[in-house]
Amino acid sequence: QVQLVQSGAEVKKPGASVKVSCKASGYTFTSYDINWVRQATGHGLEWIGWMNANSGNSGSAQKFQGRVTMTRDTSISTAYMELSSLRSEDTALYYCARKFRGTVGLDVWGQGTTVTVSS
Amino acid sequence: QSVLTQPPSASGTPGQRVTISCSGSNSNIGGHTANWYQHLPGTAPKLLIYNNDQRPSGVPDRFSGSKSGTSASLAISGLQSEDEADYYCSAWDDSLSGQVFGGGTKLTVL
Repeated sequence: QVQLVQSGAEVKKPGASVKVSCKASGYTFTSYDINWVRQATGHGLEWIGWMNANSGNSGSAQKFQGRVTMTRDTSISTAYMELSSLRSEDTALYYCARKFRGTVGLDVWGQGTTVTVSS
Repeated sequence: QSVLTQPPSASGTPGQRVTISCSGSNSNIGGHTANWYQHLPGTAPKLLIYNNDQRPSGVPDRFSGSKSGTSASLAISGLQSEDEADYYCSAWDDSLSGQVFGGGTKLTVL
C-alpha cells in the first residue's frame, strides 16, 4: 500500500541540526511532491516547505528560509528535511506528506517524527 | 495568528449537521482552492476535502466542502462520535509563496 515511513525521534541541543527522513513505498516516488508540516504541542499545523521529488526543486515558508534544506535520494525513494540552528521553539512533531496531483492537498502522510530541542 | 481564520471550537449532537468556516483573503482562498483535514490525536492528519469540494476516495459523503469568495466551509452531516477531532483548512498563499493552514477547529460531539 501507499505509505510514507519516517525516521525515529530525535533529541538535539539548541544550535544543532536535525535531519528527518521519509521513505516512500507503494507508488512512483518521483511522480509526486513531498511536503513537510510540523505541529508543536498545543498548536496547529504549520507548513514548512515542499520538494519536487523528481527534480529536487524546493521551496519553503519564509520563516524557515535559510534554515531548512530539503533533499531526496531517488534510488531509495527517500526524502529528507534538515533543519539547522535549532531552538526550543522548533520542538514539535514533524510530518512528511505527499501532495495530491492537481491540488496542494496532502493525501498521504508519514507517521510523524518527534524532534525535541533541549539543553 | 494564522493567515486563515477558523473558529477555535464547534460542537454538535449525534445526527446533527455542523459547519466549520475558514476565512482568508484574495491572496489565498480568494485565488486558490481550499483543502480540509481531519486530525485525530495520535494520528497523522487525513485529507477530507481538496479543491474546495472534492472528496478523496474513502471519505464518506457526510463530509462536504464549499467555497465562496475568500471563505471556505466544511460541513459534516449525520454527526458521529468518531468525528470528534481537530479540523484544519489550508490553501496556497501568493503573498507568502507557500501553503497556509487555519488555526484549527476542535469539534466536540456532545
